[in-house]
Amino acid sequence: AQKITQTQPGMFVQEKEAVTLDCTYDTSDQSYGLFWYKQPSSGEMIFLIYQGSYDEQNATEGRYSLNFQKARKSANLVISASQLGDSAMYFCAMRDNFNKFYFGSGTKLNVKP
Amino acid sequence: KAGVTQTPRYLIKTRGQQVTLSCSPISGHRSVSWYQQTPGQGLQFLFEYFSETQRNKGNFPGRFSGRQFSNSRSEMNVSTLELGDSALYLCASSLDVTVTGELFFGEGSRLTVL
Repeated sequence: AQKITQTQPGMFVQEKEAVTLDCTYDTSDQSYGLFWYKQPSSGEMIFLIYQGSYDEQNATEGRYSLNFQKARKSANLVISASQLGDSAMYFCAMRDNFNKFYFGSGTKLNVKP
Repeated sequence: KAGVTQTPRYLIKTRGQQVTLSCSPISGHRSVSWYQQTPGQGLQFLFEYFSETQRNKGNFPGRFSGRQFSNSRSEMNVSTLELGDSALYLCASSLDVTVTGELFFGEGSRLTVL
């Protein structure tokens, strides 16, 4: 069965510092996609970054990068130079071969000024 | 380009009533999926529709149902509401039906059952 695990319910980071949000996944599929979403207090889920299971390079999108370690089944999100607007819930997700999405329980990030 | 639109944004119902939520996907997206988000259970997959056909279904009772119209707009219905149905219901659309396709979410419909 597919499963996404985020072990950090909440985290604090100082403004302008980097932060890593952990995500591990469990699947027997060979082909899958890994995603990170941000959910501000308004409720909308905002897509941040994508990593394919066959991608050899770690994905990057601006201040976001995904540290993909396939053998360890981990897909950690790294946010560089944190900003106050980064305070939100962050969800790791996986899309499997049957086009089903599985979400982790989320990490609440608080950026301190 | 308009995003995913969900209506209504907020609603209050009482136990035993039924509710219908609407979702208009991004133009050109044929896949629409629904999620229930609660503080205790997180994001749980309800169902997914593609070209008017239900393609995937989560583990929810039959009180939860949905449909998709020919213009890709989707509705979900919850009958005989229970207190535990209070949640944020998120709709998402997708263009790509492969593993690379990300979901684009609406702002959600926040349902409170009294």
